[in-house]
Amino acid sequence: AQTVTQSQPEMSVQEAETVTLSCTYDTSENNYYLFWYKQPPSRQMILVIRQEAYKQQNATENRFSVNFQKAAKSFSLKISDSQLGDTAMYFCAYPIQGAQKLVFGQGTRLTINP
Amino acid sequence: DAEITQSPRHKITETGRQVTLACHQTWNHNNMFWYRQDLGHGLRLIHYSYGVQDTNKGEVSDGYSVSRSNTEDLPLTLESAASSQTSVYFCASRSGNTGELFFGEGSRLTVL
Repeated sequence: AQTVTQSQPEMSVQEAETVTLSCTYDTSENNYYLFWYKQPPSRQMILVIRQEAYKQQNATENRFSVNFQKAAKSFSLKISDSQLGDTAMYFCAYPIQGAQKLVFGQGTRLTINP
Repeated sequence: DAEITQSPRHKITETGRQVTLACHQTWNHNNMFWYRQDLGHGLRLIHYSYGVQDTNKGEVSDGYSVSRSNTEDLPLTLESAASSQTSVYFCASRSGNTGELFFGEGSRLTVL
């Protein structure tokens, strides 16, 4: 079975701290993309960052970066200098069936405290 | 700008009634998806389509159906609504270039 696991249902940090959200997955695909999505209280699903599995370099987007360990099938999201607006549910996801469908983890609820 | 829209955003219905949630995208994406979101389960795939006249069942398809008569629309129908189908429903379309999903704003359905 192809699954995604987010082992941290909830996390809470102080503003300006760095926080890392974990994600492990199980796939039989060879070439694929991995995604982190953010869902703030507005409910809108927003793409945070995307990692191409065939690239060894970890993706970065401003304060957001990933630690991609392909052999370990691990894809964690690091948020640096966290801000109150980062408070949200975070979902990791990866494609299956030749990258046609996305499978989502259960989500991590992140709270940034002032 | 291209977008994906869902309607209605909120709906309350009664057990046994038929309900249709609309999804319309202007990205011109071939792949479209319906997910439901429930506490503790993340997003689970209901149905998906890879193009016009193509529909496929996802992991939680029982009690739901979809049709794809054109590229832009993928309506989701609950044939006979049940309380277990109370949820937030998300429609999405997929970019062929990046693999990224673009989501609608969600439809909250309550079945009483």
